[in-house]
Amino acid sequence: AQKITQTQPGMFVQEKEAVTLDCTYDTSDQSYGLFWYKQPSSGEMIFLIYQGSYDEQNATEGRYSLNFQKARKSANLVISASQLGDSAMYFCAMREGPRGSTLGRLYFGRGTQLTVWP
Amino acid sequence: DTGVSQNPRHKITKRGQNVTFRCDPISEHNRLYWYRQTLGQGPEFLTYFQNEAQLEKSRLLSDRFSAERPKGSFSTLEIQRTEQGDSAMYLCASNQATGELFFGEGSRLTVL
Repeated sequence: AQKITQTQPGMFVQEKEAVTLDCTYDTSDQSYGLFWYKQPSSGEMIFLIYQGSYDEQNATEGRYSLNFQKARKSANLVISASQLGDSAMYFCAMREGPRGSTLGRLYFGRGTQLTVWP
Repeated sequence: DTGVSQNPRHKITKRGQNVTFRCDPISEHNRLYWYRQTLGQGPEFLTYFQNEAQLEKSRLLSDRFSAERPKGSFSTLEIQRTEQGDSAMYLCASNQATGELFFGEGSRLTVL
C-alpha cells in the first residue's frame, strides 16, 4: 500500500487566491511526521512545513498552513494568497517514528503540479 | 554557499559504463541521504548514513549500486554497469536529526 497518496496530478489557481493540495497517509505508527516540499523546475526540493503527529495545532509557516486531520489521516497543504512564483511541483512526505529518530527515511507521494495564473 | 552540493549536475553515459556522483552535505549535518526520482514520481529512498555508518538501505539499491561516506563528510554514489532503467535524478539530502531534510539540486543521469 502507498504510504503517501496525492490524488491531484495538477491544480490551477489564480494569483492571490488560496489553494488546497490534498495528501493522505498510511501508517500504523503512533509517532510520525508529515512534511511538504516544493520542487520548482530547477529540481531542488525546498522544505515548506512540518507537522508532528502529536502536535495539537495545525502548523503554519507564512502563507503555508497544514490542515492536519489525524482521524482521517490527511495532511492537506493550504497556500494562501498564491503568487506566480508558487508554480511548482508539491510533494507530501512522511517519516515514521519520532522526530530525530534513527528511522531517517521519508516516504514521498507522487506530487501535485501547481500552476498559478495571473 | 552553505547548502547541499551535488556534482556533476548532469551525466550522460552509455549502457554498461560506471558512473559516480558526489554529494557534499551541509557541514554541521551528520545525516546524509540518497534518493532517486524518476519522471512523474516522487523521490524514492535509496540509502542513509549517520556520520560514516550506512544505517539503512532500500531494496532499490541493487548490487550495482554502492554508496560511501568514508569520513562522515561527503558521500559518493556509484552505479556500475549502468542500465537504461537507471536514468533518473539522484538527489542527496542532509539533516542533523531535526526532521526536515535539506536537499541538493540533484544529479541527472541519462543512460543511452
